[in-house]
Amino acid sequence: AQTVTQSQPEMSVQEAETVTLSCTYDTSESNYYLFWYKQPPSRQMILVIRQEAYKQQNATENRFSVNFQKAAKSFSLKISDSQLGDTAMYFCAFFSQGGSEKLVFGKGTKLTVNP
Amino acid sequence: GAVVSQHPSWVICKSGTSVKIECRSLDFQATTMFWYRQFPKQSLMLMATSNEGSKATYEQGVEKDKFLINHASLTLSTLTVTSAHPEDSSFYICSAINLGQGGYGYTFGSGTRLTVV
Repeated sequence: AQTVTQSQPEMSVQEAETVTLSCTYDTSESNYYLFWYKQPPSRQMILVIRQEAYKQQNATENRFSVNFQKAAKSFSLKISDSQLGDTAMYFCAFFSQGGSEKLVFGKGTKLTVNP
Repeated sequence: GAVVSQHPSWVICKSGTSVKIECRSLDFQATTMFWYRQFPKQSLMLMATSNEGSKATYEQGVEKDKFLINHASLTLSTLTVTSAHPEDSSFYICSAINLGQGGYGYTFGSGTRLTVV
């Protein structure tokens, strides 16, 4: 079974600085997707970034980028120029096309951006 | 972009009554929807997978007679909490698979906060 591990329950960063959230996963599948979701205090789940496993190039979305290390099964999220609005829970998630279509979530990292 | 509408946003009900939560995909067809439960400061816990026109698949430990799921159309799935008790109080979230231009994606509803008194 696939598992997703986020080893940092809480992190904090100063506004305008850069922070990296860690995520590792375990799978025997070769075709899969990895996601980072943000859950602000409103509790709406918001997709931050997505990475297809077959793509070697790391995904980027404005201030958000990932470091995808397939061999190491690592998928970290880097937030540049942190903003107060980035304060939220961040969940790493895994999906396999050959599986049950379920999203497997990590336990989350609570990120606080301080002014 | 893909939108999933979830209603109600919050509901308070008396112990022993039933509550229905709706999840609608507004601009795409969702053959598969998922229902999650989230406790404070925890991750999302998958309760069941809802498939249009067939019975839902429940995760281990989830009582299918208490959490009734109906997926009667390609755009609507409902979760009914039957004979609700205070321990059923929680945040419930639905999601749907959306095959957009970028490939697989999941779109989430805004969640329902259920309080049973």
